[in-house]
Amino acid sequence: SQTIHQWPATLVQPVGSPLSLECTVEGTSNPNLYWYRQAAGRGLQLLFYSVGIGQISSEVPQNLSASRPQDRQFILSSKKLLLSDSGFYLCAWSVNSQPQHFGDGTRLSIL
Amino acid sequence: RKEVEQDPGPFNVPEGATVAFNCTYSNSASQSFFWYRQDCRKEPKLLMSVYSSGNEDGRFTAQLNRASQYISLLIRDSKLSDSATYLCVVSNPQNDYKLSFGAGTTVTVRA
Repeated sequence: SQTIHQWPATLVQPVGSPLSLECTVEGTSNPNLYWYRQAAGRGLQLLFYSVGIGQISSEVPQNLSASRPQDRQFILSSKKLLLSDSGFYLCAWSVNSQPQHFGDGTRLSIL
Repeated sequence: RKEVEQDPGPFNVPEGATVAFNCTYSNSASQSFFWYRQDCRKEPKLLMSVYSSGNEDGRFTAQLNRASQYISLLIRDSKLSDSATYLCVVSNPQNDYKLSFGAGTTVTVRA
């Protein structure tokens, strides 16, 4: 069966520091991969998605970036975090586009 | 107009009661519909897909009304463990890889 791993679970970072969140999927090949952010009490905002190695689609202009160096690995990065980057970050995967299945999430707090 | 709109609730119901709520979507060309469940500070989990003819999964019944562009979720014989936020999710007709998430309807089942 397919599993998705996302880490770390929680992260506290100062403003201006870099960020790297990692997500890996097991048990499937060539999954579609997604990064979402959920602000407190709000819906999910799609940040990036990828349909293959090296293929990244960006949904929201911001200081975040994503990379897919391997088939089942998806990384979310930032060079300099802003206060507004705080939130709950979720990685998800799908095959044949739908539905999507989520990792446990990373709760990011910016101080 | 938001792509997916939900009554945020909360719906407070006693154990054993029936609770139902709707969500509306803006794009009449949307083809796929889902309900996800999200517990507090956790990741969303797929509850059920919604089919054109309506479908049941145990105590949960989902309905789709294409003419009025809404989907509904009904929970019968509510359990304490049904307390959660229920997210309405709709596919994007312009992009098979993208889903639109509602902000969620909160249900609280009390003893």
